[in-house]
Amino acid sequence: GDSVTQMEGPVTLSEEAFLTINCTYTATGYPSLFWYVQYPGEGLQLLLKATKADDKGSNKGFEATYRKETTSFHLEKGSVQVSDSAVYFCALSKNYNFGNEKLTFGTGTRLTIIP
Amino acid sequence: SAVISQKPSRDICQRGTSLTIQCQVDSQVTMMFWYRQQPGQSLTLIATANQGSEATYESGFVIDKFPISRPNLTFSTLTVSNMSPEDSSIYLCSSRGGRTDTQYFGPGTRLTVL
Repeated sequence: GDSVTQMEGPVTLSEEAFLTINCTYTATGYPSLFWYVQYPGEGLQLLLKATKADDKGSNKGFEATYRKETTSFHLEKGSVQVSDSAVYFCALSKNYNFGNEKLTFGTGTRLTIIP
Repeated sequence: SAVISQKPSRDICQRGTSLTIQCQVDSQVTMMFWYRQQPGQSLTLIATANQGSEATYESGFVIDKFPISRPNLTFSTLTVSNMSPEDSSIYLCSSRGGRTDTQYFGPGTRLTVL
């Protein structure tokens, strides 16, 4: 079945450091790929997405590129801030039949940024 | 994007009781979904709720334990029945509408069962 594998956490970085959180997927066909973020005590927020190969999703300084050849969707940010501390989830979505799809999530990566 | 609210935001319940969680979307949406997030874990899909039809449950989840209603295009409820401490989790609803493949999530309901 479909699956998403994320970099193990927790990850601790200093402010202004470069961030990479690795995400690879296994799926047949052409899934859409997502990064969601969960701030402490809150629900999930969509951070960015990409729907086809070579698409780059970006938001709030974060970027991820849909790489079909390596089945990857790594999340990057050039200079992290304390406010980026959260849990990040990589996910894929695929239509199993018309109008009915399922989001498959990775295990989540907890990111802590220290001043 | 849709704005989704959930009630209650948190609750503490006794084992053997039931809790109904409400999910309200600010616009009409085609699909609504219910997820469970156990402590320190990722999200697992419980069921998909379509308006006017029975909910579709994922493997490991049954209607008797998690009955779902979807009376219209903006509202759904999930009931957690005959609760045990193992049901302590965050329950989140999400929605997808129209031609987008993006799901938007509510803030979640944090349930503790004693």
